[in-house]
Amino acid sequence: SQQGEEDPQALSIQEGENATMNCSYKTSINNLQWYRQNSGRGLVHLILIRSNEREKHSGRLRVTLDTSKKSSSLLITASRAADTASYFCATDEGSSNTGKLIFGQGTTLQVKP
Amino acid sequence: SAVISQKPSRDICQRGTSLTIQCQVDSQVTMMFWYRQQPGQSLTLIATANQGSEATYESGFVIDKFPISRPNLTFSTLTVSNMSPEDSSIYLCSVDSPNEQFFGPGTRLTVL
Repeated sequence: SQQGEEDPQALSIQEGENATMNCSYKTSINNLQWYRQNSGRGLVHLILIRSNEREKHSGRLRVTLDTSKKSSSLLITASRAADTASYFCATDEGSSNTGKLIFGQGTTLQVKP
Repeated sequence: SAVISQKPSRDICQRGTSLTIQCQVDSQVTMMFWYRQQPGQSLTLIATANQGSEATYESGFVIDKFPISRPNLTFSTLTVSNMSPEDSSIYLCSVDSPNEQFFGPGTRLTVL
């Protein structure tokens, strides 16, 4: 079953603007990951944030995690047309450590040049 | 890191037939996973493929429909049996590591 909900479902911005996507989940986790998918192709791993971390940066990406609210956000700064893609959050199963991932519904981002 | 390849990359099949998808990893891994992504949807886990034991299926997926093989630590296959148009999806395999889960490029299946 789907653990995560993401909002917005779709986001359209101009190049240079910032894009923020949110993800909520239901159960305890060890870590949360964000992925990008271009046009229904394979998934590209963007960043992993562990349950004991609150914020993480990677280039133009900033991820926050609030375990008390069971939510995470992905911020892409200074967006580019090449950032146009679908973005998914994925969580593990917490204590069971099975390696399984549970994906959110995804946010489709369009960056207009 | 792990590099994963899948074959075929895409296929168009007739209903009632079966398709076997191959997943090859460039290193030995304990667990491999198979996901399905229906059109416009997110990814849903089908099963976990463990070498030396039967695959573990998630709720809503059964072995008769999605038989899985795991003959060694670098290879797995997923068969989509007796296909119907509802099976049209992207099928992805993945492997787990401490810092991320790596995904194959996916197999885009269209069932007519």
